[in-house]
Amino acid sequence: KAGVTQTPRYLIKTRGQQVTLSCSPISGHRSVSWYQQTPGQGLQFLFEYFSETQRNKGNFPGRFSGRQFSNSRSEMNVSTLELGDSALYLCASSVTLDRGVGNEQFFGPGTRLTVL
Amino acid sequence: GQNIDQPTEMTATEGAIVQINCTYQTSGFNGLFWYQQHAGEAPTFLSYNVLDGLEEKGRFSSFLSRSKGYSYLLLKELQMKDSASYLCAVWDTDKLIFGTGTRLQVFP
Repeated sequence: KAGVTQTPRYLIKTRGQQVTLSCSPISGHRSVSWYQQTPGQGLQFLFEYFSETQRNKGNFPGRFSGRQFSNSRSEMNVSTLELGDSALYLCASSVTLDRGVGNEQFFGPGTRLTVL
Repeated sequence: GQNIDQPTEMTATEGAIVQINCTYQTSGFNGLFWYQQHAGEAPTFLSYNVLDGLEEKGRFSSFLSRSKGYSYLLLKELQMKDSASYLCAVWDTDKLIFGTGTRLQVFP
């Protein structure tokens, strides 16, 4: 079974631009979560999608948005990029509807975004 | 508020045992995960605890005390390949909250 895939793996943008990152979950997984990882802050939750609906959202500004398609693939978009948006963006998928007990998440390799 | 604390860095010797601690304060609790992340790679699942006690999986064990808001990951018979970051994460009601991770370096 193929794992979680993310494209692109690396991206360089300049301030003010916008970017779209893509995530394909493991086949059969309907929940996709996005995280931002930086050296100082660790992994921070951005949002989670299930069946094309955003179920939960972290504490990020509205410049960060996402969506999920009927095949469970998900995209996240960051508009008006800032230097501080430079980070590794990870997506994770999980199979269960229950957001609680035992809901193991499988991570993709991430997209390394550098904002100049 | 939500807070998960773990040591930033630890070092150990090949063949030794190391314990990585994690303390948490969250508004809800539906279980605690430990993930391993090698540099430049995705986090991979190590263990999950939802009830108090010790869960053993080969060289790795994880312990949870819900009343103390405390967990630890125990790594035995350390190998060089265990050099990685170890992330503690708590399911807080409906989302996974991560600590900043503990970078473990194993020396020969």
